[in-house]
This record gives sequence, C-alpha cells and structure tokens, in this order.
Amino acid sequence: GQQVMQIPQYQHVQEGEDFTTYCNSSTTLSNIQWYKQRPGGHPVFLIQLVKSGEVKKQKRLTFQFGEAKKNSSLHITATQTTDVGTYFCAGNSGGSNYKLTFGKGTLLTVNP
Amino acid sequence: DTGVSQDPRHKITKRGQNVTFRCDPISEHNRLYWYRQTLGQGPEFLTYFQNEAQLEKSRLLSDRFSAERPKGSFSTLEIQRTEQGDSAMYLCASSLGTVGPNYGYTFGSGTRLTVV
Repeated sequence: GQQVMQIPQYQHVQEGEDFTTYCNSSTTLSNIQWYKQRPGGHPVFLIQLVKSGEVKKQKRLTFQFGEAKKNSSLHITATQTTDVGTYFCAGNSGGSNYKLTFGKGTLLTVNP
Repeated sequence: DTGVSQDPRHKITKRGQNVTFRCDPISEHNRLYWYRQTLGQGPEFLTYFQNEAQLEKSRLLSDRFSAERPKGSFSTLEIQRTEQGDSAMYLCASSLGTVGPNYGYTFGSGTRLTVV
C-alpha cells in the first residue's frame, strides 16, 4: 500500500530560525495536503498542492510539490513561538474517495 | 455551521465493554472519514463514507469495529469488546471531495478512548 514518509521526526529551533520538513511518497500522488496539529489539538488543514512543481506561499510558509509528484516540502521562514506543533503531509493517490495517507509528522518546537 | 463535532471528547472504558462514538460533519460535505491516531503517529485511515454508503474500510479494522452513516448525515463508530490496544484518539473528518488549493479535510476535535 501507499506509504508517506516525513523527515525529520523532530526539529527544535530558536525563534527566528528557519524550518523545513520533507515528505516522500512511495507512489505518485494526485495531490498532497499539509496539516498542522497543535499540542493537544486536532489536525488543521493548511493547503493542498495539485500541480507538478507547484509552489504556494502563505505568509512565512512556503509549500512545494515535486516535479514527479512524489515529494513535497514545507518551509517556514523566521519561526515564531506560534509555529509550534506537528506538521503532517498527507498524500492522495487519486480516485474518487479522496482518501489521505498521512506521514508521521514533524514536531516543531521553538525556543523563544 | 461550526465545523465537525465529535462526542464524547473522552471515554474511559473497561476492557471487553462496547463503546460508540458520534460524529456530526459539516452539512455541505458529502464525504466523511474516520481516522485513528496514537501518540507520535499520524492519523491512520479507518473507513470512508460518501453520503450514506460506506465505500472503503481499512484492512486494519477488525470485525469488532463497525461504522454507520444513516441518511448521509451524522456517523457513528462502534467498537465491540474493547481491548487495550484500541486506546487512541478517534478522529472524524469531512470534506467536499473536490481537488483545489483550499479543499482539505475538516477534522473534529476527536474522541480520546482509554481502555483500562
């Protein structure tokens, strides 16, 4: 079955430093989504990428979808304490069920 | 519509008991998903409904698990004869099932199950 892998598992940064998490799928994806889960909370949708090579920005967050549609990355510029949480990528391999396969996530902690 | 609602938020049960969880999705969403999440892991797919039809069920889901979505509205997830390994956060999500930059899952706050 489809597998989605994320690295690193944990990342601790000083406030103001940049952060990147990487996501790789064992199969070609139809689209990929990113979610953020605050400690004690539930996953919250950030964005969906659909096109090969697509780059999307949301303020300090930059999302990329690889040319082969098998990998993706999330980059945060100048982290803030409000960025703390676990970032998950989730891949959809196509079909009408829109089922997502989630990675294990990257837990980001930010030292003020 | 205030989002996806799940009830209860927490459930502690003794091993061997049956439990039932409820999920009320966003009313415009025709797709409903159940996921399970354990500490340090990503959400793991359990089952999926399109309207009232259960179209896919994970092979990880044993016969002790059953889900329904009568009339395509709310959904229930029942676990019979609970085991300690069932302890987890059970997340419900709904979606429009449309591809686009703003169309993702909306998750509920989850039901945390502890089997003692």
